[in-house]
Amino acid sequence: EPEVTQTPSHQVTQMGQEVILRCVPISNHLYFYWYRQILGQKVEFLVSFYNNEISEKSEIFDDQFSVERPDGSNFTLKIRSTKLEDSAMYFCASSLGGTNEKLFFGSGTQLSVL
Amino acid sequence: GIQVEQSPPDLILQEGANSTLRCNFSDSVNNLQWFHQNPWGQLINLFYIPSGTKQNGRLSATTVATERYSLLYISSSQTTDSGVYFCAVDFKGGSEKLVFGKGTKLTVNP
Repeated sequence: EPEVTQTPSHQVTQMGQEVILRCVPISNHLYFYWYRQILGQKVEFLVSFYNNEISEKSEIFDDQFSVERPDGSNFTLKIRSTKLEDSAMYFCASSLGGTNEKLFFGSGTQLSVL
Repeated sequence: GIQVEQSPPDLILQEGANSTLRCNFSDSVNNLQWFHQNPWGQLINLFYIPSGTKQNGRLSATTVATERYSLLYISSSQTTDSGVYFCAVDFKGGSEKLVFGKGTKLTVNP
């Protein structure tokens, strides 16, 4: 069964450093998402991306965050200058038809900011 | 504001027992999805169920959209069912996001 893949599985960084989290969505999917989950809390929406542009973003997704689909397969989340509170599990998801269809999630990248 | 509430927050079962997890939502929805987060953190999509009833093996789900709730039934539970079960809702209004509940943490003991 096709799946969403994320790399790396764990990332440790120093406060103030830039990080790029990578995702390869399911190949025929058109809608891409980033969500995050702070330890022990619920999963929170960050951003949705369709047709090469952001379609919606949450208040968490401030100027320090950006997303890109640099080629036909990768979807990346960049955090420009990490803060301690950015420590979380970051999930990439994709869907064929947006939220009107099943969302498939990757295994996540655990980001630790020291 | 829009809310997704799940109950119970924690549930401990013996292997073989049945359980019902509930999800209440505060407004009209386009769709609702149930996820299982296993102990390794993976989010597995169990059901896409905006209304009606669906079954997949020992799991089934029912959504009554007019009454703003959904139920997830787990029958003959196994230790591998342990984890956190999340309900996630796409509220009407043109948004492109799922709003997750806080989850039900299920522990199935052998």
